[in-house]
Amino acid sequence: AQSVTQLGSHVSVSEGALVLLRCNYSSSVPPYLFWYVQYPNQGLQLLLKYTSAATLVKGINGFEAEFKKSETSFHLTKPSAHMSDAAEYFCAVSDPSFGNEKLTFGTGTRLTIIP
Amino acid sequence: DTAVSQTPKYLVTQMGNDKSIKCEQNLGHDTMYWYKQDSKKFLKIMFSYNNKELIINETVPNRFSPKSPDKAHLNLHINSLELGDSAVYFCASSHRSGGSEKLFFGSGTQLSVL
Repeated sequence: AQSVTQLGSHVSVSEGALVLLRCNYSSSVPPYLFWYVQYPNQGLQLLLKYTSAATLVKGINGFEAEFKKSETSFHLTKPSAHMSDAAEYFCAVSDPSFGNEKLTFGTGTRLTIIP
Repeated sequence: DTAVSQTPKYLVTQMGNDKSIKCEQNLGHDTMYWYKQDSKKFLKIMFSYNNKELIINETVPNRFSPKSPDKAHLNLHINSLELGDSAVYFCASSHRSGGSEKLFFGSGTQLSVL
């Protein structure tokens, strides 16, 4: 079985400050890992994904995440927050043998940007 | 030109009623999904269809019946609605099942059962 834990259901940062959203995973096999973003009243959109290639993954809108096997982590970062980054962020894990059919989401982290 | 569209956006109904949510994708994908997001934002897969065939059916009550008339459509019919069915239901699609194919989500249907 696989699972993800997102530490902090709410994170607030000032505009221009570093964004750090934490995700730890549990998986019995080398996982695929994803970050999705959900803007108000919209569906989820893929930010980035890790599929066992480079451990540092760059995504859209200036976000990146680093896969650290020793820490079972896949934290999402952005050097400088923008007001438009305010949204709900979901970390997800899947078993490569099953892909999206076994995609498990975390409970999300709501990011608030302080002007 | 919406990629994944689902209707209605809001659905308010009484307990015991039967309702349907429709989903259509124009991306040419062969795999479609239904997800349920509860009030705590927990998102869980319900069904997955590949080329009109059911691939996965998580522990969902049989009051929920997906119907896929063709690869571009996956509708969700719910019988005898219960209070606990209140949630946001998301349709999604991807190019193929398995792997790490990007999921494209609809904007959700907020179901409120009174």
